[in-house]
Amino acid sequence: EVQLVESGGGLVKPGGSLRLSCAASGFDFSNYTMNWARQAPGKGLEWVSTLSRGSTYIYYAGSLEGRFTISRDNAKRTLYLRMDSLRAEDTAVYYCVRSAWNWNDAFDVWGPGTKVTVSS
Amino acid sequence: SYELTQPPSVSVSPGQTARIPCSGDALPDQYAYWYQQKPGQAPVLLIYKDTERPSEIPERFSGSTSGTIVTLTISGVQAEDEADYHCQSADNSDTYNWVFGGGTKLTVL
Repeated sequence: EVQLVESGGGLVKPGGSLRLSCAASGFDFSNYTMNWARQAPGKGLEWVSTLSRGSTYIYYAGSLEGRFTISRDNAKRTLYLRMDSLRAEDTAVYYCVRSAWNWNDAFDVWGPGTKVTVSS
Repeated sequence: SYELTQPPSVSVSPGQTARIPCSGDALPDQYAYWYQQKPGQAPVLLIYKDTERPSEIPERFSGSTSGTIVTLTISGVQAEDEADYHCQSADNSDTYNWVFGGGTKLTVL
């Protein structure tokens, strides 16, 4: 079964840092572009970042202002998101998402999400 | 910044047809995608490349496009279709940028 499972969310103070992880199983992780997306409480979805399969291409949403870093370890079949200088507006459920290379990078597999709360 | 616009809510009776529009200036040049999200769950891909449907998605879900508007159509709506629906696309700038619409809450009366 194709599966993505996020971990690492929790409560953090403004200005703090957090690292999210996403464990992939059931497919050849090293052959897929991967993404992070988020959803603030009661709001719509927001794309956060994309990382190509060999880590050659890295993209971020402009609103992040350089505070987040995406990375992956293909040997461990794991995607990461390092979040620094966290703000209240970063409070959201963070989803790990696979891009379907044969469907023009549609977001075809989503993890259940991990909740991040930024509050003092 | 580029925006995709969806109505906040759409209501339909069971068995009727629901149409959820999504508008954006770049939609004539960029593919659109649709996702269904039920409360407390992750989104599920319904439509890719404007009109294509993954094999596991019921045929009552379809996508169409006309100029700057793409539309998700749900034929013969069922109670289980009550959910939030999100459109997604990219803008026409040189910057890699995925954008989602604000989402539409479908209520089955």
